[in-house]
Amino acid sequence: GAGVSQSPSNKVTEKGKDVELRCDPISGHTALYWYRQRLGQGLEFLIYFQGNSAPDKSGLPSDRFSAERTGESVSTLTIQRTQQEDSAVYLCASSLGQLPDEQFFGPGTRLTVL
Amino acid sequence: AQSVSQHNHHVILSEAASLELGCNYSYGGTVNLFWYVQYPGQHLQLLLKYFSGDPLVKGIKGFEAEFIKSKFSFNLRKPSVQWSDTAEYFCAVNGGYTGFQKLVFGTGTRLLVSP
Repeated sequence: GAGVSQSPSNKVTEKGKDVELRCDPISGHTALYWYRQRLGQGLEFLIYFQGNSAPDKSGLPSDRFSAERTGESVSTLTIQRTQQEDSAVYLCASSLGQLPDEQFFGPGTRLTVL
Repeated sequence: AQSVSQHNHHVILSEAASLELGCNYSYGGTVNLFWYVQYPGQHLQLLLKYFSGDPLVKGIKGFEAEFIKSKFSFNLRKPSVQWSDTAEYFCAVNGGYTGFQKLVFGTGTRLLVSP
């Protein structure tokens, strides 16, 4: 079946602009996760959704970052007033939401802030 | 907070050589452990996972990992690597203080297998 999809695959923006990144999880997966991978580093957790609510936002690096999920499906990650340090690959994952659980990752969105 | 250490950042091997990639985590309670692989130009894929039971876990493509609780380790092994194993390998853990939802990743190991 279809895996996790993300769009756009690449995004180049100017410092100070807002960007929206989209994630379509695997159908039927109730849990959705956003991670960020900066160059030369491992993945860092940003936010986790169970259904449409976000019980864990602890990884969002600043109030410029926000995310929402609607219809227990698509999620968008919004970064306002982008900064150069926001340049990274943003990865989305989804899972069944049961414990123990396995997360399935999308291809990521490469964000470059000039 | 939970942390994951991968000791080897870059590994270069010849085909048919044996592979062992180290992974240590910081929390000593109940954890789930994972190895993910990212082949060039592809997205992150699960190689193998440990939830409970037999601490020696078999994964895809001939990989295995052993959970040693006393050493907080989950090292990845393969007896004979192939050129197609060239990829970046990430160890990840959830559980403990960070909860069982989010994964905590190591910084990854880039493996280059020369033909």
